[in-house]
Amino acid sequence: KNQVEQSPQSLIILEGKNCTLQCNYTVSPFSNLRWYKQDTGRGPVSLTIMTFSENTKSNGRYTATLDADTKQSSLHITASQLSDSASYICVVSDEYSGGGADGLTFGKGTHLIIQP
Amino acid sequence: ETGVTQTPRHLVMGMTNKKSLKCEQHLGHNAMYWYKQSAKKPLELMFVYNFKEQTENNSVPSRFSPECPNSSHLFLHLHTLQPEDSALYLCASSPETGRHEQYFGPGTRLTVT
Repeated sequence: KNQVEQSPQSLIILEGKNCTLQCNYTVSPFSNLRWYKQDTGRGPVSLTIMTFSENTKSNGRYTATLDADTKQSSLHITASQLSDSASYICVVSDEYSGGGADGLTFGKGTHLIIQP
Repeated sequence: ETGVTQTPRHLVMGMTNKKSLKCEQHLGHNAMYWYKQSAKKPLELMFVYNFKEQTENNSVPSRFSPECPNSSHLFLHLHTLQPEDSALYLCASSPETGRHEQYFGPGTRLTVT
C-alpha cells in the first residue's frame, strides 16, 4: 500500500531560524513529489514539484531535496518569517495513474509555527 | 488567489438538512476535483471530473452527490449527513487529469450538528 509519512507532526521555531521538514514515502513506481503549503483557512498551494531525476529544487527561501533511492524528501526553510506559519503537505504521485489524481498519496502534513 | 473560488466558506447544517457546496474556477481548466480534509488526516480524494464527465468516485457515500454542469463549475450536494462528515471540503482544478498541478480553492468548513 502506498504511504507518505511526514515528520515532525508539528514544529515551533523562532523567527529567523531555519528548519527542515521530512517526507518518507513507499509509493511505487514513483512519478513525482510535490510540497504544498496550506495556510490556515486556505487551500494548499504548490511550492515545488520534483521528478525522479531531480535532487534539489528551490523556490525562494524554500529548498526541496529528493533521494529517490531511499525514498525520502525534505523541505528546508531558510530565515523563517511569520508568514511561513502553515501546514506543509508532501504529495507523491505514482506512474500507474499517469500521475493522475487517483494516483496521488497525501501525507498528513507538518504544522509549522513561527514565533516572533 | 489561485483562481478557484468556493462558496460558502463556512456551513453549519443539521443531519436532516440539504445543502450544496459550489466551486468555480477561472483558469480555463478541464478537470475538477472534490477533496475532504479532516483533522490529523491526509486529504481524501472524493470525486474527479474531466471534461464534465465523472472519472473517479472513491467509494464516497451516496449522501454526497456531485454535479458538474460545465468545466468551470462543480457542485457537491449534501443530504442526511452525519457528524463525522464535518470537515474542510476542498475543490481543485487542473488543465486535465494526469501529471498536472492542481490549484485548490480556499475550502468550505462544514460542521454537521
